[in-house]
Amino acid sequence: GENVEQHPSTLSVQEGDSAVIKCTYSDSASNYFPWYKQELGKRPQLIIDIRSNVGEKKDQRIAVTLNKTAKHFSLHITETQPEDSAVYFCAASIGGGSYIPTFGRGTSLIVHP
Amino acid sequence: EAGVVQSPRYKIIEKKQPVAFWCNPISGHNTLYWYLQNLGQGPELLIRYENEEAVDDSQLPKDRFSAERLKGVDSTLKIQPAELGDSAVYLCASSQTGVGEAFFGQGTRLTVV
Repeated sequence: GENVEQHPSTLSVQEGDSAVIKCTYSDSASNYFPWYKQELGKRPQLIIDIRSNVGEKKDQRIAVTLNKTAKHFSLHITETQPEDSAVYFCAASIGGGSYIPTFGRGTSLIVHP
Repeated sequence: EAGVVQSPRYKIIEKKQPVAFWCNPISGHNTLYWYLQNLGQGPELLIRYENEEAVDDSQLPKDRFSAERLKGVDSTLKIQPAELGDSAVYLCASSQTGVGEAFFGQGTRLTVV
């Protein structure tokens, strides 16, 4: 089955800095890559996703890049703010009909004011 | 639109006792997932339903765990008997077939003492 590795496990930055979280996946058939944000005690929520036919996607301060050849994808957050502090999960999913996300272990992002 | 609803939010039981979790997915979502999330880890799939059919339950410990999704809407996950190692957050998610994004419920935090 699919295996997703996520790094780093903890990331500490100063407000206004950029943050990058990296993930690799094992199954070349994976074609959908969502990123979820989970605040303490709350549900994971989708913040951005990318499909295998796209190399990069941006939404305001958040961007995701995908390298299918190397089987890795990354989340980029620019101009970080204290409210960005949370745990971020990447996932890789093989889909056509239904998707089955396999999640990474998570990155705890801490943004210091 | 109501999101995925889970109950109870918290449950404390003694080991060897039974416990059940309930999930009501978003209306119209044919796919329903049960995930297990241990502290500091990413969600791990236990079982996936397409309508009322369990199509991926290879990670469900069938000696003590069972699940059902009668009429293809609500779902229940049961543990009998519970063990200390079952303490975790049990997340339910749902998605529309072919879309990709999974919407999560708030989860049930189970503590086995």
